[in-house]
Amino acid sequence: DAGVIQSPRHEVTEMGQEVTLRCKPISGHDYLFWYRQTMMRGLELLIYFNNNVPIDDSGMPEDRFSAKMPNASFSTLKIQPSEPRDSAVYFCASSFPNPNTGELFFGEGSRLTVL
Amino acid sequence: SQQGEEDPQALSIQEGENATMNCSYKTSINNLQWYRQNSGRGLVHLILIRSNEREKHSGRLRVTLDTSKKSSSLLITASRAADTASYFCATRANSKLTFGKGITLSVRP
Repeated sequence: DAGVIQSPRHEVTEMGQEVTLRCKPISGHDYLFWYRQTMMRGLELLIYFNNNVPIDDSGMPEDRFSAKMPNASFSTLKIQPSEPRDSAVYFCASSFPNPNTGELFFGEGSRLTVL
Repeated sequence: SQQGEEDPQALSIQEGENATMNCSYKTSINNLQWYRQNSGRGLVHLILIRSNEREKHSGRLRVTLDTSKKSSSLLITASRAADTASYFCATRANSKLTFGKGITLSVRP
């Protein structure tokens, strides 16, 4: 298996632009998580899905952020409009159907820079 | 909000020495996990210890869990330069996995 695949790996954009980050989880994993990593705040859980349904989006910073999972093999995290404070590394991770016991498998991350 | 808090924030040791990293947390957990992150890469799972376990080993890794003190430690024995990375503890409560801010480990050759 190729692991969790994220794209793009790097994105540089200007304030006000729309940003879309993509994730393909490991086949057979029913849970998908989006995290954001910054030096100041560390790793923050933004949202997670179970069987393509959003379960907890309490970590989503504000309405500018949205996430979807239209099918079991694809998820997007969208920021519209983007702001400089959104600059961070965004990670997608997936896990087996019993998340209470299993570990997360992370992608390599998407590094976002908003100028 | 961060659940796990690692200590120390940074650790520098000589190759061959042991590295001990600590983690404290605040609420009840299902399990506690340790992850490693190399610079510019994603996190990689190292070891998981369940709330009813006290100690677990995996290769050069030894993790302990004290639920009464809400703390865990990760010991890496006979460290190698390749162990240089950031290490994170993460606590699982229900379906959520919450990470600490991490410990930067530098192993000098």
